[in-house]
Amino acid sequence: AQKVTQAQTEISVVEKEDVTLDCVYETRDTTYYLFWYKQPPSGELVFLIRRNSFDEQNEISGRYSWNFQKSTSSFNFTITASQVVDSAVYFCALSGTGGTSYGKLTFGQGTILTVHP
Amino acid sequence: DADVTQTPRNRITKTGKRIMLECSQTKGHDRMYWYRQDPGLGLRLIYYSFDVKDINKGEISDGYSVSRQAQAKFSLSLESAIPNQTALYFCATSDGGIRLASDTQYFGPGTRLTVL
Repeated sequence: AQKVTQAQTEISVVEKEDVTLDCVYETRDTTYYLFWYKQPPSGELVFLIRRNSFDEQNEISGRYSWNFQKSTSSFNFTITASQVVDSAVYFCALSGTGGTSYGKLTFGQGTILTVHP
Repeated sequence: DADVTQTPRNRITKTGKRIMLECSQTKGHDRMYWYRQDPGLGLRLIYYSFDVKDINKGEISDGYSVSRQAQAKFSLSLESAIPNQTALYFCATSDGGIRLASDTQYFGPGTRLTVL
């Protein structure tokens, strides 16, 4: 079975601070895919990024960056110079390629990020 | 217009009532999913469908049923609602891509269901 753990239940920062959201996963698959989603206060889920297990290059998109480390089974998400609009719940998710996990997302518990002005 | 729509957006019902949540998509995707979100538990998969003739149980299907009426429509039913089914329900779609596991799922706005 696969599992995703987001140990940080809630994080509170002041605007312009950098913040890192942790994600640790477990899977027996050698090929798998990792995702981050954002859920703002309005409630919808917004796709942010997909990363495959055979590509460990870090990715940067504006103020967002993702650090994938296969050796530690982690896929952490950093927001640089946080803004109030970044306040949301962030979910990390995993999709495996073997057995019953094939093509289905397993979500972490989510991290509530609050950015204060 | 939104690519994935859910109706109703909010619903309050009583224990024992039958209720249906509907999902429609204009993305042309073959694959559709139903999840529920509970505080502290993330999202959990209830049912999924990889095409019109394919229906599969997810992690927590007990107490739920689904119907895939067309490529664009996937409904979730609670035959006899109970209070612990109070949750936020999401529909999602994906196109399958080249590798099934790399599918990116796109979510509807959610339906907030309260069972009294």
